[in-house]
Amino acid sequence: NAGVMQNPRHLVRRRGQEARLRCSPMKGHSHVYWYRQLPEEGLKFMVYLQKENIIDESGMPKERFSAEFPKEGPSILRIQQVVRGDSAAYFCASSSMTTSGNTIYFGEGSWLTVV
Amino acid sequence: AQSVAQPEDQVNVAEGNPLTVKCTYSVSGNPYLFWYVQYPNRGLQFLLKYITGDNLVKGSYGFEAEFNKSQTSFHLKKPSALVSDSALYFCAVRELGYKLSFGAGTTVTVRA
Repeated sequence: NAGVMQNPRHLVRRRGQEARLRCSPMKGHSHVYWYRQLPEEGLKFMVYLQKENIIDESGMPKERFSAEFPKEGPSILRIQQVVRGDSAAYFCASSSMTTSGNTIYFGEGSWLTVV
Repeated sequence: AQSVAQPEDQVNVAEGNPLTVKCTYSVSGNPYLFWYVQYPNRGLQFLLKYITGDNLVKGSYGFEAEFNKSQTSFHLKKPSALVSDSALYFCAVRELGYKLSFGAGTTVTVRA
């Protein structure tokens, strides 16, 4: 059973460009989460999605960031007009349910570097 | 609000010695507690979780954790550490629903 798949693993963007990060959840999982890990900081929740629905985006910066999880295909985290402060590791995670005891499994991450 | 604290930024132990990584939590209801490990430039790997039942939880790679309600702690332990256990360890709590709140992480270094 394949785990959570993220790509690209590493991405370099110039300031002002767009970054698109993709995530395919584990087989059988319909709940997707995105977390960000900034240098010297812990992991911060960004957004929680189900198919075609954004359930909670309370951790998303109010501008330039968006996420989707279409009916078909992977979840996408999109960052427009990137700035150096967006350089971070972005982790996607998935679960089969949202009960509190259910385990959330993480992907290998996408490392974004803005130059 | 739910939160966890990892009071130690770093833990250094010799190979073969016991390893303990500390975690305390603060929740208003029943806690659901998790430990994850992150190797350099990798994602988070699930180690173990406490939901209910026995206070001693056994997980992957020989790790275990003890839930202590009176001390609101969930310390991660391994009886005999290996050099390959050197990594960044995160404690996390999930009180209700879906959101995990992570501690700041503890870097474990096991010297040969």
